[in-house]
Amino acid sequence: GAGVSQSPSNKVTEKGKDVELRCDPISGHTALYWYRQSLGQGLEFLIYFQGNSAPDKSGLPSDRFSAERTGGSVSTLTIQRTQQEDSAVYLCASSIAGVQETQYFGPGTRLLVL
Amino acid sequence: QKEVEQDPGPLSVPEGAIVSLNCTYSNSAFQYFMWYRQYSRKGPELLMYTYSSGNKEDGRFTAQVDKSSKYISLFIRDSQPSDSATYLCAMSAKQTGANNLFFGTGTRLTVIP
Repeated sequence: GAGVSQSPSNKVTEKGKDVELRCDPISGHTALYWYRQSLGQGLEFLIYFQGNSAPDKSGLPSDRFSAERTGGSVSTLTIQRTQQEDSAVYLCASSIAGVQETQYFGPGTRLLVL
Repeated sequence: QKEVEQDPGPLSVPEGAIVSLNCTYSNSAFQYFMWYRQYSRKGPELLMYTYSSGNKEDGRFTAQVDKSSKYISLFIRDSQPSDSATYLCAMSAKQTGANNLFFGTGTRLTVIP
C-alpha cells in the first residue's frame, strides 16, 4: 500500500475485555514500531520489530500487552483485560531497517475503555 | 526530569507570522533531531531531520540545533492556516532503533486566517 494502515480506526470496549489492534506496514519496511499517545503525553514507545531479530519489548507497560508480527509484515497488538488507563491512541510506524529518518506513521487506533 | 521538554501551548498566531517552536533536552548524547507535524486524527509525519548542531532549511521551515544549550527550534516563516497542527520534537543518540528515540509532548499551533 501507499502508507502504513491501521485498523480499526476507533475502538470502544468495556473494562476487562481483550482488544486486538492491527498494523499493515509499508511494503519492504523491515522495521515496525508500536507507540501509545495519551492526551498531554508524548509518544510512548511500546515494542519494536526489526527483521528476524527478537522484538524489543522493553516499552510494554505490563504483561497484559503483547504483540506479534507475522511473516515480517502485518502486526497485531493485543491488550488483555483492558483497563480505563489503557485509553489512548495507539500508533504504528514502519521504517527501512530501523533508520529513524525513514519512519512513517499510520493514522492510529483510538481506543476508549469504558 | 523528562528527557525532552516541550511547551504544550496552545499557540495562536495570525496568518503570515513567524512561528518559533522549541524543545529542550537533558541528554548530551543526543545528536539526531527531528520535528514531526501531526494533524488532528492523523499520525505524525516527519518534517525536518538534522544531525548534530547547526541549521537546516526547507522552504518556509528552518530547524536549528544548539547542542551547547541543549535546545532545538523550528521556525515557520509566512505561516499559513494549513500549518495548524501539533508539532512534536524528537531526538536520539543513535540513527536506528526505537527505545532510544524520545519525543516531546507536542505544541499545538493554530494559524488564524
